[in-house]
Amino acid sequence: DAKTTQPNSMESNEEEPVHLPCNHSTISGTDYIHWYRQLPSQGPEYVIHGLTSNVNNRMASLAIAEDRKSSTLILHRATLRDAAVYYCILRPFSGTYKYIFGTGTRLKVLA
Amino acid sequence: DAGVTQSPTHLIKTRGQQVTLRCSPKSGHDTVSWYQQALGQGPQFIFQYYEEEERQRGNFPDRFSGHQFPNYSSELNVNALLLGDSALYLCASSLNRGGTYEQYFGPGTRLTVT
Repeated sequence: DAKTTQPNSMESNEEEPVHLPCNHSTISGTDYIHWYRQLPSQGPEYVIHGLTSNVNNRMASLAIAEDRKSSTLILHRATLRDAAVYYCILRPFSGTYKYIFGTGTRLKVLA
Repeated sequence: DAGVTQSPTHLIKTRGQQVTLRCSPKSGHDTVSWYQQALGQGPQFIFQYYEEEERQRGNFPDRFSGHQFPNYSSELNVNALLLGDSALYLCASSLNRGGTYEQYFGPGTRLTVT
């Protein structure tokens, strides 16, 4: 199972952009990169996913390195409600149905 | 549209007992996965059910078993409870199709074993 590495914690000021990095040097060609976040006392929620190209949605942007060995989740304007644990997960296109979560990055947003 | 629901919210059991946790998937979803999340850790995959059968299993002992019903709801059963089984148990539902399906997680059941 391919593994991801994330910083344990990060801090950001409210209303500022946040860049959450993820290293996945053993990624294979068919692995999708998923990001989930878990707010306090809740189950994880989907944020964004991508394969090779950068992706944008209403919640965030995902920037994927050209060699795909790393990616960055970008929150354009952090709010207090974005304080959560963010998980970067690799999921093969086929052959497995499980998500392998690491310990994630705990994001603290300062008012 | 109701999301994933789980019951009960909290549960306290004694070592050696058995427990059953329940999950109703998001409307339209046919696949249910179960995860165990210990305090301060990321969720760990237990197993996934599709078409009423266990499709894939993580590294959990046979004390952990499950079931999926024709309406796609699911149960997680844990026998002979150990103190180490204390955790948040998460259910996630998805729609079976190839590729990048996303999983929708419920709020979890907090199990405490004393």
